[in-house]
Amino acid sequence: QVQLQESGPGLVKPSETLSLTCNVSAGAISNYYWSWIRQPPGKGLEWIGYIYYSGSTNYNPSLESRVTISIDTSKNQFSLKLNSVTAADTAVYYCARVTHGSHFDYWGQGTLVTVSS
Amino acid sequence: QSALTQPASVSGSPGQSITISCTGTSSDVGGYNYVSWYQQHPGKAPKLMIYDVSNRPSGVSNRFSGSKSGNTASLTISGLQAEDEAHYYCSSYTSSSTLVFGTGTKVTVL
Repeated sequence: QVQLQESGPGLVKPSETLSLTCNVSAGAISNYYWSWIRQPPGKGLEWIGYIYYSGSTNYNPSLESRVTISIDTSKNQFSLKLNSVTAADTAVYYCARVTHGSHFDYWGQGTLVTVSS
Repeated sequence: QSALTQPASVSGSPGQSITISCTGTSSDVGGYNYVSWYQQHPGKAPKLMIYDVSNRPSGVSNRFSGSKSGNTASLTISGLQAEDEAHYYCSSYTSSSTLVFGTGTKVTVL
């Protein structure tokens, strides 16, 4: 059973960088895509981007200028950085595994990040 | 990229069948058999219910089924139960090698 767990600060100041890490259960990170998804309070899901275990990435065009996703296979974890945040970036952030490059079959529990001074 | 279009809400009585639509374009839903559906209960992470248009993951009830016609995909829940009350989201692969979600549908069991 694959398990994912998000970690990182729950509060970020406007204009600063949001940084989150997703830890994946041991031995499970190779040969898959790994993704970040967010959900503002009371709103729908928004795909942020994904990374292949080899390091190649693809991002949501609406966020691409501010997003970086990286991966560390030796630590079984991948990370999200979103810079120049505003209140509109307040959301629950989920990490998830992408299978066949098309669907999210395992999800983390999600972590709420609030952007506020 | 634009979110796929879903009805805001759908309702039905226990035992009935309901269908949720997910409309995109030929660059996403219509162009690939890579539509998936997710169920989300309040305060919980989404759960995969259907992948690749009509495939059910192990453990998902066969009351859930998916289909696609042109640029519109559909999720049907048959024999509606109280536990099916949740938000449902579709997702599709796109021609830009990105993924996009639908706007979400609130299912209410009357």
